Amino acid sequence: SQTIHQWPATLVQPVGSPLSLECTVEGTSNPNLYWYRQAAGRGLQLLFYSVGIGQISSEVPQNLSASRPQDRQFILSSKKLLLSDSGFYLCAWSVIPVGYGYTFGSGTRLTVV
Amino acid sequence: DQQVKQNSPSLSVQEGRISILNCDYTNSMFDYFLWYKKYPAEGPTFLISISSIKDKNEDGRFTVFLNKSAKHLSLHIVPSQPGDSAVYFCAVSRGNEKLTFGTGTRLTIIP
Repeated sequence: SQTIHQWPATLVQPVGSPLSLECTVEGTSNPNLYWYRQAAGRGLQLLFYSVGIGQISSEVPQNLSASRPQDRQFILSSKKLLLSDSGFYLCAWSVIPVGYGYTFGSGTRLTVV
Repeated sequence: DQQVKQNSPSLSVQEGRISILNCDYTNSMFDYFLWYKKYPAEGPTFLISISSIKDKNEDGRFTVFLNKSAKHLSLHIVPSQPGDSAVYFCAVSRGNEKLTFGTGTRLTIIP
């Protein structure tokens, strides 16, 4: 069966520090991968998505970047965190057709102080 | 330009009664519609879906209705239970394009 792992569960980082969040998927090949952020009191904002190794699409301009070094690994990074980067970050995967939905990871609560 | 709207940010319903969550979309080309449920500090989990060829899909206490002419989607939960308290997101897609999520509705079931 397919599973998605996301870590860490919580993270407190000072402003200006780097960030690396990792997500891995098991039990499927060539999934579409996604990074979402849920800011306090807001909906799900798509940050990045990837349809294959090295293929990254950015949805919104921001202080973050994403990489997909392996088929089932998706990494969210920042060189210097801002206070506004605080939020709940979610990784998700899907197969084609996308209409069958996404499976989400358990999320990372990032607090930038 | 918000393609998917959930106009009620919150909803309170008495336990045992019906909860109705609504979602409006703008693009008539969307052909797959889903509902997700999210508890605090957890990832959203898939609840129920419907394709554009149907107008109703039922799964236990959950029923999703699709009104294509009105571009309106609703989720009915009956009877509502305390464990249903969560944030509910609708999501839509067209073909193989990525899902577009609504802003969410926080449902609180009052015992």
